[in-house]
Amino acid sequence: DARVTQTPRHKVTEMGQEVTMRCQPILGHNTVFWYRQTMMQGLELLAYFRNRAPLDDSGMPKDRFSAEMPDATLATLKIQPSEPRDSAVYFCASGLPRNSRVEEQFFGPGTRLTVL
Amino acid sequence: DAKTTQPNSMESNEEEPVHLPCNHSTISGTDYIHWYRQLPSQGPEYVIHGLTSNVNNRMASLAIAEDRKSSTLILHRATLRDAAVYYCIPPIYSGAGSYQLTFGKGTKLSVIP
Repeated sequence: DARVTQTPRHKVTEMGQEVTMRCQPILGHNTVFWYRQTMMQGLELLAYFRNRAPLDDSGMPKDRFSAEMPDATLATLKIQPSEPRDSAVYFCASGLPRNSRVEEQFFGPGTRLTVL
Repeated sequence: DAKTTQPNSMESNEEEPVHLPCNHSTISGTDYIHWYRQLPSQGPEYVIHGLTSNVNNRMASLAIAEDRKSSTLILHRATLRDAAVYYCIPPIYSGAGSYQLTFGKGTKLSVIP
C-alpha cells in the first residue's frame, strides 16, 4: 500500500530554532507539494516541485522558509529561524501529472509543529 | 481564477444519501472540478474530479450541471467514516505552467448514527 510518509509527526521547539521536516513521496511520483494548515488560514500551498525542481514557491515566506528535494525520494521543508506564527500542521503530497496537471494528490499524515 | 461557494456545514443520517453542493459560476470551460475530503486529524484525501459529464467511482458520484456553474458530490450511503470536511476545488494556473489546487473552507459533514 503506497503512501506518502512524513517525519517527524510532531515537533515542539522554541522560537529561533531551526526546524526541518521531511517527506518521502510515493515511489514513482515526480511532483511533490508542501502545504500548511492553520485554523485561521485553512490549507495553503507553500511550494511544489516537479522532477526535483521547484515549479512554484510563491506561497512560501522566502526569508525563513526553504524547500528542497535532495533526491527523488526525499523532500525537505526547513524553517530558520522559527517563530510562534509558524505553528501549524505541514502536509506533503505527491502525484503524477497528466497533461501537466496533477489531478489526484496523495497526502501524507502531516507534521504538527508547535513553536513556543 | 474560479471561486467556489459551499455551505459551511451539513448533517446526514447514517446510511442515507448525502448531496453536497458547490457553486463555481466563474469556472472556465476547460477547468476540472476536484473534490477532496479531510477526515479529523488526517491529511486531505482525493475523492473525485470531473469536467462536464457525471462521474462515478467507488467513493462517490459527481453530478455537474449542464452550464458547469455548479456541481454536487453524492455519497450514496453515508457512514460514520464519511464525517469529514469536503472541499470543492477549482484549479489555479500561475506562471511557468503551474497548476495548483486551492482549498477553501469546505463543508463540514456530520453523520448522525
